[in-house]
Amino acid sequence: EVQLVQSGGGLVEPGGSLRLSCAASTLAFGTHAMTWVRQTPDRGLEWISFISSSSNTKYYADSVLGRFTVTRDKAKNSVFLQMNSLRVEDTAVYFCARGGPASASEALDIWGQGTMVTVSS
Amino acid sequence: EIVMTQSPATLSVSPGESVTLSCRASQSIGNNLAWYQQRPGQAPSLLISYASTRATSFPARFSGSGSGTEFTLTISGLQSEDFALYYCQQYNSWPLTFGQGTKVEIK
Repeated sequence: EVQLVQSGGGLVEPGGSLRLSCAASTLAFGTHAMTWVRQTPDRGLEWISFISSSSNTKYYADSVLGRFTVTRDKAKNSVFLQMNSLRVEDTAVYFCARGGPASASEALDIWGQGTMVTVSS
Repeated sequence: EIVMTQSPATLSVSPGESVTLSCRASQSIGNNLAWYQQRPGQAPSLLISYASTRATSFPARFSGSGSGTEFTLTISGLQSEDFALYYCQQYNSWPLTFGQGTKVEIK
C-alpha cells in the first residue's frame, strides 16, 4: 500500500518562499497523477495543483498560478510544491494526494498527513 | 468553475440512527463525484468514488447515490467512529472543487 509522507512546512514572511515535499513509499506512486490540496477553517478544502504521472500535464488554481510550481522526481518517488511570493492568505494545511493513473482526473485515494504553512510577519 | 453545495452544514444524530447527506453540483458532472471522511487532525479519506463505489476500507453501512447534479451519501446505523466531517468533490472538470462539508455530530 502506498503511503505519502509530507515535509517542508513552516512559518514564512509574506513574499517569502517554501518548498513542500511529498514522498511515496512504493513504486505504485510513479504511474499516477498527483494533486495538492490545501485546507483552512474559512475556505475548507481547496484544490491548488495537479501533475500527471509523466509531468507533461500540470494545472494550477487561479489563486496560485504564477507563484506555485509543481514538479515530481520519479527516481525519488516524490512530488514537490515550490511556493513563491507567499501571501497571508496562503496560510493553510497543505495535503498531497494521489489521483488517477497517468493524467486521468479521478478521486484522490491516498493522502499525505498534511503540513502546516503559516505566512505571517 | 463548478460549485459544490452540501447540506446541511451540521447533522446532530444519535448513535444507531441513519443519516443522509446531500451534495449538489452547479452543473452536470455525470457520476464523477467523490465523498471523503475527515476526522479531527487527520487528512481526508476517500469514502466513495464515481458517486456510488465504496472504498474497501469502509463498511457497507456507507452508500452513495446520484448522478448529474444531485448526490447523496447515506450512513445506516451510525457508529461512534462515523462522527466526522464529510466532503463531496467533483472531478469532472478543472478546477477540481469541494463542497463546504457536513459535520455529523453526536446528539
